[in-house]
Amino acid sequence: DTGVSQDPRHKITKRGQNVTFRCDPISEHNRLYWYRQTLGQGPEFLTYFQNEAQLEKSRLLSDRFSAERPKGSFSTLEIQRTEQGDSAMYLCASSLGNEQFFGPGTRLTVL
Amino acid sequence: AQSVTQLGSHVSVSEGALVLLRCNYSSSVPPYLFWYVQYPNQGLQLLLKYTSAATLVKGINGFEAEFKKSETSFHLTKPSAHMSDAAEYFCAVSDYEYGNKLVFGAGTILRVKS
Repeated sequence: DTGVSQDPRHKITKRGQNVTFRCDPISEHNRLYWYRQTLGQGPEFLTYFQNEAQLEKSRLLSDRFSAERPKGSFSTLEIQRTEQGDSAMYLCASSLGNEQFFGPGTRLTVL
Repeated sequence: AQSVTQLGSHVSVSEGALVLLRCNYSSSVPPYLFWYVQYPNQGLQLLLKYTSAATLVKGINGFEAEFKKSETSFHLTKPSAHMSDAAEYFCAVSDYEYGNKLVFGAGTILRVKS
């Protein structure tokens, strides 16, 4: 399978804990995006990378959130000191042109 | 800034009936527009896209959409609904001046009745 993959698919954590998600994009894609989707809403942009450079971050990305793409391949999204409001589906997408290909998402539940 | 409005959070049609999902956009530049479908607990799958070529765009699974600049609309249609079309549909506009990030509408849940 050469699509976008995300790990884990599901994560349940207690408030205050740190969590890290991984995204593996399609191999030749130079852009990688993170979105957050809450129940009943469309995905909202969080941040994107062109190769290893993080070029834009949304205001939604508070100081507790950090994303990296160290070698321009896979990316990680870390949330520190999780809050119940962080419960959502976290989607990763990659692209080479104007079409983005999405992974299956990581569903985070903060208890 | 770009924005998308999807009229109707839920649409219900009978199997075999016309599907019409509405999308209006706001953009300060000529837009790239997309329709995605999402099945429960899955990611988004691209149905079709408009990138300033033909205004009538055909996509997968028999869906099509027409870009109407004067109405700032990009409605999604399918002549005959199938049970497998039941899903959530998202319209999105691409901000190509800022890395092509997507701005999504709130989504429309399509229900297909037998």
